Amino acid sequence: AQSVSQHNHHVILSEAASLELGCNYSYGGTVNLFWYVQYPGQHLQLLLKYFSGDPLVKGIKGFEAEFIKSKFSFNLRKPSVQWSDTAEYFCAVTPYNTDKLIFGTGTRLQVFP
Amino acid sequence: EPEVTQTPSHQVTQMGQEVILRCVPISNHLYFYWYRQILGQKVEFLVSFYNNEISEKSEIFDDQFSVERPDGSNFTLKIRSTKLEDSAMYFCASKVASDSPLHFGNGTRLTVT
Repeated sequence: AQSVSQHNHHVILSEAASLELGCNYSYGGTVNLFWYVQYPGQHLQLLLKYFSGDPLVKGIKGFEAEFIKSKFSFNLRKPSVQWSDTAEYFCAVTPYNTDKLIFGTGTRLQVFP
Repeated sequence: EPEVTQTPSHQVTQMGQEVILRCVPISNHLYFYWYRQILGQKVEFLVSFYNNEISEKSEIFDDQFSVERPDGSNFTLKIRSTKLEDSAMYFCASKVASDSPLHFGNGTRLTVT
């Protein structure tokens, strides 16, 4: 079945630690890839997206993600997290020729000072 | 920054009752969506709407669901006869063009008792 998998359900880090959140998808064709963030009590916000071109994508707030086509992966990274990065992070995919976002289950990130 | 607004933030209804969830998308946006998230589960696509008609819908979006854009500013989701399993957070989203980022509202938490 077509799906998006986020392997880390809950990640706890100290400030300044590096972050990598995994995302894999199972669609065989062309896809657009996204990471969304939901801060406590707020709406989903786009962190970054990949449509084509350079597979290393830079987003807001120092986040980046790398699309590795051979691994069907789009992992999110940040070299040094801050307490304000505490949030839930969602990977999402839009398969080609459709307009819907297919979301992963989300990863809850807690950053402690 | 313009926002997608959803009302109410929390709605409680009895099983079998009709419920209407309201959304005001960003004013110059042309594409409109409803997603939902049952507690502890993934965010799921329900329906997309463009040019005054449904462009895509999921299996969840059965005959009990309908959407409407009655006046050029509101975008509503109606559930005709609610079931317990309709309890979820419902997110409205909009975007200005097909390849633009999706903007989400804060969601309406629907509780069916």
